[in-house]
Amino acid sequence: GEDVEQSLFLSVREGDSSVINCTYTDSSSTYLYWYKQEPGAGLQLLTYIFSNMDMKQDQRLTVLLNKKDKHLSLRIADTQTGDSAIYFCAEGVFYGNKLVFGAGTILRVKS
Amino acid sequence: GAVVSQHPSWVICKSGTSVKIECRSLDFQATTMFWYRQFPKQSLMLMATSNEGSKATYEQGVEKDKFLINHASLTLSTLTVTSAHPEDSSFYICSAREDISYNSPLHFGNGTRLTVT
Repeated sequence: GEDVEQSLFLSVREGDSSVINCTYTDSSSTYLYWYKQEPGAGLQLLTYIFSNMDMKQDQRLTVLLNKKDKHLSLRIADTQTGDSAIYFCAEGVFYGNKLVFGAGTILRVKS
Repeated sequence: GAVVSQHPSWVICKSGTSVKIECRSLDFQATTMFWYRQFPKQSLMLMATSNEGSKATYEQGVEKDKFLINHASLTLSTLTVTSAHPEDSSFYICSAREDISYNSPLHFGNGTRLTVT
């Protein structure tokens, strides 16, 4: 079945880079997503990458995809205190119609 | 960008009563919407796929008589938790795709926190 795994917690200092890692199992995934959730709020789509891409950059965000190893990472450059949140990795299965989420990585940014 | 709105953002109800949660796509039409449930400090689990004009598709283990879904228009889907019990307390989030292509990402509402006393 489909499974997505993430590290549970990451702590960085303000101004440093954050790297959140994710592994997935379904090789037929079409898109892979990163969502951000702040306390008590819904999910905010940060970025997504098509499965035939290796990298996508969007301002401070860089997504790297290693399809062979089924490994996805999200790098946040110049991490700010406002980046503190839970970050969810998700893979689109069944042609992207269903999303399978990881457990989420809590990012804590220390000033 | 695409906006998905949920209402209410939080609700407290007594055990045995029913609660309706609305999910609206504000600036686009959505033939399909998705309902997720999130337990505290856990990930999201897909409950069901709401299809405009037809029956919803439920994931394995989700009681369709317990969680009634109606997708009456291209911009509105509702989830009704019937005869709610404390174990139904959770965070419910809906999502929709901006177009029918599987290539477009899902956009989520802000969620509804349900507390059953």
